Amino acid sequence: DADVTQTPRNRITKTGKRIMLECSQTKGHDRMYWYRQDPGLGLRLIYYSFDVKDINKGEISDGYSVSRQAQAKFSLSLESAIPNQTALYFCATSGPGQGLSEQYFGPGTRLTVT
Amino acid sequence: AQSVAQPEDQVNVAEGNPLTVKCTYSVSGNPYLFWYVQYPNRGLQFLLKYITGDNLVKGSYGFEAEFNKSQTSFHLKKPSALVSDSALYFCAVIITGGGYNKLIFGAGTRLAVHP
Repeated sequence: DADVTQTPRNRITKTGKRIMLECSQTKGHDRMYWYRQDPGLGLRLIYYSFDVKDINKGEISDGYSVSRQAQAKFSLSLESAIPNQTALYFCATSGPGQGLSEQYFGPGTRLTVT
Repeated sequence: AQSVAQPEDQVNVAEGNPLTVKCTYSVSGNPYLFWYVQYPNRGLQFLLKYITGDNLVKGSYGFEAEFNKSQTSFHLKKPSALVSDSALYFCAVIITGGGYNKLIFGAGTRLAVHP
């Protein structure tokens, strides 16, 4: 079984709709991240969480919110989806190591906003 | 500004030939550098990292990378390319400050290995 899972894998939604992307991990890591990937831009950090009570904005958090329901679960919400939020979204986790540990990524969610 | 750059959008190489995927960085303080690979319809997979020590870092699938401080580079290399190495490769650097370490990714380089 995969260590980091994401649901759904693909989603098409309409402008203005609320949508939630979910991430679960079995690696026992405290640190979790949400990224979006756009062609030619690499990955950009949306939000990150170092434990259940610690949530921080990344470089592109506008229009997004997150919830850390448990150590193993980190959800990303788009309160009112817009077309430029069409992208590939990745969840990732990392272990201890003063923030220098490698990250483990989920398979991604392809979101299309029409 | 602290950043990482991958100057080539795509690299083409024949199977069996050596490959190099380039990466340069600009950070204040010590550089902590990573390479990740993304196969089609998959998430990113960690290949290798440089934190400190030997400038030549060996990683998964026969890849290695050379840290060059004077040229601020961290190029990914493999002596003999395989068709199965065809994928999207990302260089990343840790940006420190503000009480946390943040991973910044380059735009990615698509590697195409031809039979």
